Amino acid sequence: AQKVTQAQTEISVVEKEDVTLDCVYETRDTTYYLFWYKQPPSGELVFLIRRNSFDEQNEISGRYSWNFQKSTSSFNFTITASQVVDSAVYFCALSEASGANSKLTFGKGITLSVRP
Amino acid sequence: DAGVTQSPTHLIKTRGQQVTLRCSPKSGHDTVSWYQQALGQGPQFIFQYYEEEERQRGNFPDRFSGHQFPNYSSELNVNALLLGDSALYLCASSLDSWADTQYFGPGTRLTVL
Repeated sequence: AQKVTQAQTEISVVEKEDVTLDCVYETRDTTYYLFWYKQPPSGELVFLIRRNSFDEQNEISGRYSWNFQKSTSSFNFTITASQVVDSAVYFCALSEASGANSKLTFGKGITLSVRP
Repeated sequence: DAGVTQSPTHLIKTRGQQVTLRCSPKSGHDTVSWYQQALGQGPQFIFQYYEEEERQRGNFPDRFSGHQFPNYSSELNVNALLLGDSALYLCASSLDSWADTQYFGPGTRLTVL
């Protein structure tokens, strides 16, 4: 069975600080996808990134970067120079490639508060 | 390009009643998945529909049922509501391809009294 653990529940930082959100996953599959979603107070889940299990290259998109390490089953998310608009709940999710469009298994989420 | 839409936004029901939630997928998408998100938790997969058939199902009782229409829109029905069914219900749409990204709608907040 697949599982996603987000051990941090709440993080509070001051604007312009860097912050890293941790994600550890468990799966028996060798082929799988990992995702990060952002959920602002409005409730809608906003897609941030998708990585497949064969691509361990780190990715950077503006102030966001992701570090994927299969050896430790981790897919961590770093926000550089955080801003108040980054305040939200962040979810890491896993999809096993057992068939077309497999279900997403989510972690419990990390509430990030960025103070001005 | 319209994203995923859901209706209604909020709903209040009493125990034992039945409810129907609706979802229209993102333009061009043919697969719809439903998730339940309890307060303070991550979304939990309910089921997925493709070609008007339920293709996958999570660990939810038969009180939860769904339907997909020829235009790919979908409904989630919950019978005999329990207090524990109070949650945010999220619909996600995607293309029927290998682990395609699922895009979520704004959700329906269901409160059962």
